[in-house]
Amino acid sequence: GAVVSQHPSWVICKSGTSVKIECRSLDFQATTMFWYRQFPKQSLMLMATSNEGSKATYEQGVEKDKFLINHASLTLSTLTVTSAHPEDSSFYICSARDLTDYGYTFGSGTRLTVV
Amino acid sequence: GENVEQHPSTLSVQEGDSAVIKCTYSDSASNYFPWYKQELGKRPQLIIDIRSNVGEKKDQRIAVTLNKTAKHFSLHITETQPEDSAVYFCAASRRSYIPTFGRGTSLIVHP
Repeated sequence: GAVVSQHPSWVICKSGTSVKIECRSLDFQATTMFWYRQFPKQSLMLMATSNEGSKATYEQGVEKDKFLINHASLTLSTLTVTSAHPEDSSFYICSARDLTDYGYTFGSGTRLTVV
Repeated sequence: GENVEQHPSTLSVQEGDSAVIKCTYSDSASNYFPWYKQELGKRPQLIIDIRSNVGEKKDQRIAVTLNKTAKHFSLHITETQPEDSAVYFCAASRRSYIPTFGRGTSLIVHP
């Protein structure tokens, strides 16, 4: 079945630094990947849709200059949190549409803590 | 766009009891309804899904029912076990569309 790998699984960084999170589809090509943010005890909030070879589509209220998304190949999308602040601390999860074009497979998530 | 409401937000049951989680959706064109289970700190895992041409689907202790007329669908877990404790999310979408997730239900199964 479709497998999505996400790295790192957790990261601690200092305020003002940038952090890159990678999302890879291991056994299928994903022209579209999705990035979610999840605060404790809350639902998955879609941040942006990552499109291979073109600009990402951001949801309302998500700063595109702060959350840089690059989808340079059919199997890799990256999310870079720039100039991170403590309020950016969250669980970030990527997903990709699987081969059936209905279901979505999620990455393992990245716990970001900004100190 | 699609709007998905999920209830209850928290559900506490005794081991062996049944648990029911309900969702409603707004977009009559939605035709795919997956349910995900998320354990603390882990990724959501698809546990069961149903498409609009089916009214009910069952997989061992888990079942999902769909009422397209009323635009609601439910997850039923029978003979609950402590390992069923997790957050459950419903979602609704159309083919090739991004799914809209419910707010989640925290299920607690007491041994």
